[in-house]
Amino acid sequence: EDKVVQSPLSLVVHEGDTVTLNCSYEVTNFRSLLWYKQEKKAPTFLFMLTSSGIEKKSGRLSSILDKKELSSILNITATQTGDSAIYLCAVEFNTNAGKSTFGDGTTLTVKP
Amino acid sequence: NAGVTQTPKFQVLKTGQSMTLQCAQDMNHEYMSWYRQDPGMGLRLIHYSVGAGITDQGEVPNGYNVSRSTTEDFPLRLLSAAPSQTSVYFCASRRQGLREKLFFGSGTQLSVL
Repeated sequence: EDKVVQSPLSLVVHEGDTVTLNCSYEVTNFRSLLWYKQEKKAPTFLFMLTSSGIEKKSGRLSSILDKKELSSILNITATQTGDSAIYLCAVEFNTNAGKSTFGDGTTLTVKP
Repeated sequence: NAGVTQTPKFQVLKTGQSMTLQCAQDMNHEYMSWYRQDPGMGLRLIHYSVGAGITDQGEVPNGYNVSRSTTEDFPLRLLSAAPSQTSVYFCASRRQGLREKLFFGSGTQLSVL
């Protein structure tokens, strides 16, 4: 059965801290791994990773995929209260439909 | 740009009632999907569609029906609501093909009493 597992499930840090969120997967027909941020309502896209070892960066956020270890990490440096959210990892399948399976998410709380 | 529009935002049903959650997108996306999100959990795929007239089941399809008569619309029908269907429902769409991200609607909070 295809599985996407995120850890930790929740995390509380203080502003300025650096955090690392983990996503591991066991899927057949891997195509890509995506990270989304969910604040109050709908998830919004952060990164898409398809090749191993290539780091994607956007400001204080960065992510990297390790296809050998079947995992990805999302790093957030110098955290701010606005980073408080649920971070979702999704794996997309290499089929015609390209449907996605999501992990349970990591709830990040950043305290002032 | 409207993007993905879901209605209603909130709904309360009694056990056994039926209803339809509406989803429309104006981006000409081939792929559309419905997810449910329960507290402390990620998104679980209910049904998806890769184009008008084509639908398929996801991980948790029981109790739900879908149809796709146009590219724009992908309604989700609850046939006979049960308390276990209390959840937040998200519709999402994207272009078919490689390296395409999902665009989500704002969600429907459904309570079944």
